[in-house]
Amino acid sequence: DTGVSQDPRHKITKRGQNVTFRCDPISEHNRLYWYRQTLGQGPEFLTYFQNEAQLEKSRLLSDRFSAERPKGSFSTLEIQRTEQGDSAMYLCASSFVVPTQYFGPGTRLTVL
Amino acid sequence: TQLLEQSPQFLSIQEGENLTVYCNSSSVFSSLQWYRQEPGEGPVLLVTVVTGGEVKKLKRLTFQFGDARKDSSLHITAAQPGDTGLYLCAGGWRDDKIIFGKGTRLHILP
Repeated sequence: DTGVSQDPRHKITKRGQNVTFRCDPISEHNRLYWYRQTLGQGPEFLTYFQNEAQLEKSRLLSDRFSAERPKGSFSTLEIQRTEQGDSAMYLCASSFVVPTQYFGPGTRLTVL
Repeated sequence: TQLLEQSPQFLSIQEGENLTVYCNSSSVFSSLQWYRQEPGEGPVLLVTVVTGGEVKKLKRLTFQFGDARKDSSLHITAAQPGDTGLYLCAGGWRDDKIIFGKGTRLHILP
């Protein structure tokens, strides 16, 4: 069991650029979640998938954000036209038995 | 809107002391998870409790879910420097979602 992995671990980009993050869940887990965490806060829910279906999106997920899980395995989170307010830790989690979720190490995004 | 409030926000104590941190809400949760997070890393699951009044022990850590499933506590006995970190509680309010508190940042002084 290799756990949830995320790539890259760190991303520095300039305002206005697009970025894409990848999450590989634990292999038998059918649910995959994305969260955003800023300094001094707990993780905030963004969206989640059951298999390849995206079942819910938070109001935090503006139209610049898009997430996919095309084959029900790995997922990508893309942010278009990044803004400085997008700087945060982006966390991915997966689960098989709800509600227990297992988190990856996160991707730290810095928008300059 | 379900909210989870954690207290205290910050706690700094000497090695060997005991401590309790709290997680409270006005909402009823179907389950409660505790996670520990270190800087630059994702949260690591410590425990899930699902039954009101449930108590679980993990070595020196004792977790309790309130009878009404609105609150939880984490007690650490004989704290060690390795216990330092951000402790997050997360409440399950539907089968498929959890919401997090802001966490308690714990620092154990050697």
